[in-house]
Amino acid sequence: GAVVSQHPSRVICKSGTSVKIECRSLDFQATTMFWYRQFPKQSLMLMATSNEGSKATYEQGVEKDKFLINHASLTLSTLTVTSAHPEDSSFYICSAMDQSTGWDVLTFGAGSRLTVL
Amino acid sequence: AQSVTQPDIHITVSEGASLELRCNYSYGATPYLFWYVQSPGQGLQLLLKYFSGDTLVQGIKGFEAEFKRSQSSFNLRKPSVHWSDAAEYFCALRSNDYKLSFGAGTTVTVRA
Repeated sequence: GAVVSQHPSRVICKSGTSVKIECRSLDFQATTMFWYRQFPKQSLMLMATSNEGSKATYEQGVEKDKFLINHASLTLSTLTVTSAHPEDSSFYICSAMDQSTGWDVLTFGAGSRLTVL
Repeated sequence: AQSVTQPDIHITVSEGASLELRCNYSYGATPYLFWYVQSPGQGLQLLLKYFSGDTLVQGIKGFEAEFKRSQSSFNLRKPSVHWSDAAEYFCALRSNDYKLSFGAGTTVTVRA
């Protein structure tokens, strides 16, 4: 079945630094990937839709300059948290659409836990 | 606007007992509905989905869900829970632009 790999699974950084999270579709091509954020004991909130070869589409209230998304290939999307602050600490999860299944199902990565000190 | 409601924040069930998790949705068109399970610190695993057709949907790990349009519900059930079923469960609705809206989630605790 479709597999989505996220890296790193955990990252700790100092306030003011930038962190990059990778999301890879391992055995399928994904023109569209989604990035979600999950606070402790809460649901997933969609941050943005990542489109291969074009600009990402951000949900209302999400700062595009803070959360940079690049989808440079059909198997890789990256989320860069720029100038991270403690309030950016969260669990970030990506998902990808396997078009070969007819856009039916999203496959999720295992998530990346970001802690900003 | 679309929305998904999971009325139960936390459910505790004895191992071997039956489990039912509630999900209600609001959507102006035919809904595409999903149930996902999340273990602590992990991503989401798809349990089952409903697009059309038979309103009783079978999924993995012995789970099933029933779509009831008249009640705008998509409740998840399992006849006999195992300790490994302890996790967070999310109901989700997919809109026409393929975005998922999630419910708040239900935490399931299984007691021996």
